Amino acid sequence: GENVEQHPSTLSVQEGDSAVIKCTYSDSASNYFPWYKQELGKRPQLIIDIRSNVGEKKDQRIAVTLNKTAKHFSLHITETQPEDSAVYFCAAPKRSGGGADGLTFGKGTHLIIQP
Amino acid sequence: DTEVTQTPKHLVMGMTNKKSLKCEQHMGHRAMYWYKQKAKKPPELMFVYSYEKLSINESVPSRFSPECPNSSLLNLHLHALQPEDSALYLCASSPRFGTQPQHFGDGTRLSIL
Repeated sequence: GENVEQHPSTLSVQEGDSAVIKCTYSDSASNYFPWYKQELGKRPQLIIDIRSNVGEKKDQRIAVTLNKTAKHFSLHITETQPEDSAVYFCAAPKRSGGGADGLTFGKGTHLIIQP
Repeated sequence: DTEVTQTPKHLVMGMTNKKSLKCEQHMGHRAMYWYKQKAKKPPELMFVYSYEKLSINESVPSRFSPECPNSSLLNLHLHALQPEDSALYLCASSPRFGTQPQHFGDGTRLSIL
């Protein structure tokens, strides 16, 4: 099955600066990589995802990059704001090969935006 | 607004009780999932249903029993739970076959006395 590693576990940045969170995966056949944001006491919320046929995807201040050769993908948040403070999880399909599948998650990054 | 609805939001039960968690979605999704999340940990997959049939069981103890009565509903029946089963139980759904975006409900926070 897939194994996902996520770094750093905690990231503190000044408001307005950029934040980058990195993940690596083990299964070269994995083809889908979502990112979730979870605020304290709330559900994981899908913020962006990328499929293996593209290298980058953007949505306003958020972008995800994928390097299939190195088997890693990253979340980039620009112009950070206080409401960006949360725990961010990367994920990948637990098994390759299609079918309805579950996700395996990285351990999470606690992003702290300093005013 | 959450499109995946879970009830109850909170549940406290004794180790000898029987209770059920419910999950409902009306997005026409044909895959539904149960995850367990302990404090300060990532969600962990428990079960996957595809077209109302159980397709994945992640070696979950039999005291957890899933059920999918129809394409919109997913239940998790609980019996003889242990204190270590206290956690946030999250339901998710995705459109259909293959790896699709999964959308989570707000979860049921379960406490075992």
